[in-house]
Amino acid sequence: DSGVTQTPKHLITATGQRVTLRCSPRSGDLSVYWYQQSLDQGLQFLIQYYNGEERAKGNILERFSAQQFPDLHSELNLSSLELGDSALYFCASSPSGVAYEQYFGPGTRLTVT
Amino acid sequence: GENVEQHPSTLSVQEGDSAVIKCTYSDSASNYFPWYKQELGKRPQLIIDIRSNVGEKKDQRIAVTLNKTAKHFSLHITETQPEDSAVYFCAASDPGAGSYQLTFGKGTKLSVIP
Repeated sequence: DSGVTQTPKHLITATGQRVTLRCSPRSGDLSVYWYQQSLDQGLQFLIQYYNGEERAKGNILERFSAQQFPDLHSELNLSSLELGDSALYFCASSPSGVAYEQYFGPGTRLTVT
Repeated sequence: GENVEQHPSTLSVQEGDSAVIKCTYSDSASNYFPWYKQELGKRPQLIIDIRSNVGEKKDQRIAVTLNKTAKHFSLHITETQPEDSAVYFCAASDPGAGSYQLTFGKGTKLSVIP
């Protein structure tokens, strides 16, 4: 157990809908990273937040957004969902914005039908 | 941006043999190289990492080597056991803008045959 929690574990929804994925970092960690894992694209970095502020953006679609709250938990919002958004979504946390080690949560499996 | 190539994509070894997985990266500014193990349906788990000021690091049966000049790094697992069977991912850290986002290789599925 890495200490990073994610909810829900599984999510099944229809095309066009909007969902919210939640992540709570390890106690004391200030940084949250979101990654998408699909069979054809592998693990891809989406976005990073550090102490409430957006720090870096990767291959995140405009239909996706995220935020980090004062209690440091983070939410990833996915809207206008398409079949191709079906994937595993992981968050990871690290102690600071420039700390090296990232510890992953258990992931949320999103299925868009 | 950073690009990480990982080989082989699949690897089968007999129990007790060694396994080697190799990665190359493109951005010479990358300075942190972790390895993750992912079992089916589970989270990627950090198993070992190396920073650019070190050439080799060992942790029991696992070792990682780094050649900065050639921009490649490798994972070595000795005395493999069936529980080593998993998908292994290498990654490189792009330090641009003060972020340590990871760029991952495509993964190597390791099967250890009892």
